[in-house]
Amino acid sequence: AQTVTQSQPEMSVQEAETVTLSCTYDTSESDYYLFWYKQPPSRQMILVIRQEAYKQQNATENRFSVNFQKAAKSFSLKISDSQLGDAAMYFCAYSGYGNKLVFGAGTILRVKS
Amino acid sequence: DGGITQSPKYLFRKEGQNVTLSCEQNLNHDAMYWYRQDPGQGLRLIYYSQIVNDFQKGDIAEGYSVSREKKESFPLTVTSAQKNPTAFYLCASSTGLDGGELFFGEGSRLTVL
Repeated sequence: AQTVTQSQPEMSVQEAETVTLSCTYDTSESDYYLFWYKQPPSRQMILVIRQEAYKQQNATENRFSVNFQKAAKSFSLKISDSQLGDAAMYFCAYSGYGNKLVFGAGTILRVKS
Repeated sequence: DGGITQSPKYLFRKEGQNVTLSCEQNLNHDAMYWYRQDPGQGLRLIYYSQIVNDFQKGDIAEGYSVSREKKESFPLTVTSAQKNPTAFYLCASSTGLDGGELFFGEGSRLTVL
């Protein structure tokens, strides 16, 4: 079974600074997808960024980018120019065949002004 | 507006009672999912359905039941057999294609008294 591990229960970042959230996963599949979801205090889950495993190029969405290391099974999220609105719980997720997402335990991100 | 509607947002139940959580989507998605969220454990898959009149157990299906009689609807019943039902429940939908984004509802908070 696939597993997703987020080793940082909490992280803090100063407004306008950069922060990196870590995620590792375990799988024997060769084709899969990785996601970062954001859950703000409203608890509505929102997709931040998505990466296809067959693509070597790291995904980027505005201030959000990933560092995807397939051999190391690592998928970290970098948030640049952090804003107060980035404060949330961030979940890393894996999806293989059948589109069932497996989630990590989450990382709480606090943004200091 | 297209989206997923969960109801009720908050629900209290006495021990020994069954309760049904509603999930409706108007995104014309084929696949629907139920996740349970507990502090420190991320989201765990309860049941999922990839097509009408068909559904599969997820990782923690014991004590839960579902039905998928209509494409738009995927209700979850928390039965009295579920030993620790107090949790936050999230419903999601997707196109069902591999790698597809999951769209989430706002969640239902169930508390057993």
